[in-house]
Amino acid sequence: QVQLVQSGAEVKKPGASVKVSCMASGYTFTTYFIHWVRQAPGQGLEWMGIIRPGGGSTRFAQRFQGRVTMTRDTSTTTVSMELSSLRSEDTAVYYCARDNSGWAFDLWGQGTLVTVSS
Amino acid sequence: QSALTQPPSASGSPGQSVTISCTGTSSDVGGYNSVSWYQQYPGKAPKLMIYEVTKRPSGVPDRFSGSKSGNTASLTVSGLQADDEADYYCSSHAAGDNWVFGGGTKLTVL
Repeated sequence: QVQLVQSGAEVKKPGASVKVSCMASGYTFTTYFIHWVRQAPGQGLEWMGIIRPGGGSTRFAQRFQGRVTMTRDTSTTTVSMELSSLRSEDTAVYYCARDNSGWAFDLWGQGTLVTVSS
Repeated sequence: QSALTQPPSASGSPGQSVTISCTGTSSDVGGYNSVSWYQQYPGKAPKLMIYEVTKRPSGVPDRFSGSKSGNTASLTVSGLQADDEADYYCSSHAAGDNWVFGGGTKLTVL
């Protein structure tokens, strides 16, 4: 079954870091890029960045540069996104999504709620 | 990179057609044939409905269609059905190897 399965919900304090994982299955892991997209409560979608599982290269949205890291483990077909220096405005559902090679996101994870609260 | 501009809401009666616009710039919507559209129900992950401006993934009804003129893309839903009621987001590849989303449109079926 072609799917992306994400790690569970997290609660973090301001200033901490969070790492969300996304395990791919049912397709060739290195063929498709993976994006990270987040959605704050009641808000729209926001693109965070992309990782190319084949070589590991990354590209981040300017507003997250310096605060986000994306990595991949080809042995477990898992990509991870780590966001540091968390603040309350980072409270959101974080999604991983596969790029269909047509600049679109054709397969989504179920989402991971990250809550930042003191 | 600024978000693409969508109307916050749209509505139509069952059987009617409704069109949702998505306005960007020559650095995103107007510069690439990369506009995609997503349907999202509350509490669920988005679903790809249209990619590369006009293409439909397998399984998406042909009641959904996309187009683009200059810096504005559009999603048209024909023959509105009750389960079309959802939030819709556009997205585009953008200069500098970025991606950008629209603010979303809540579609109500009257």
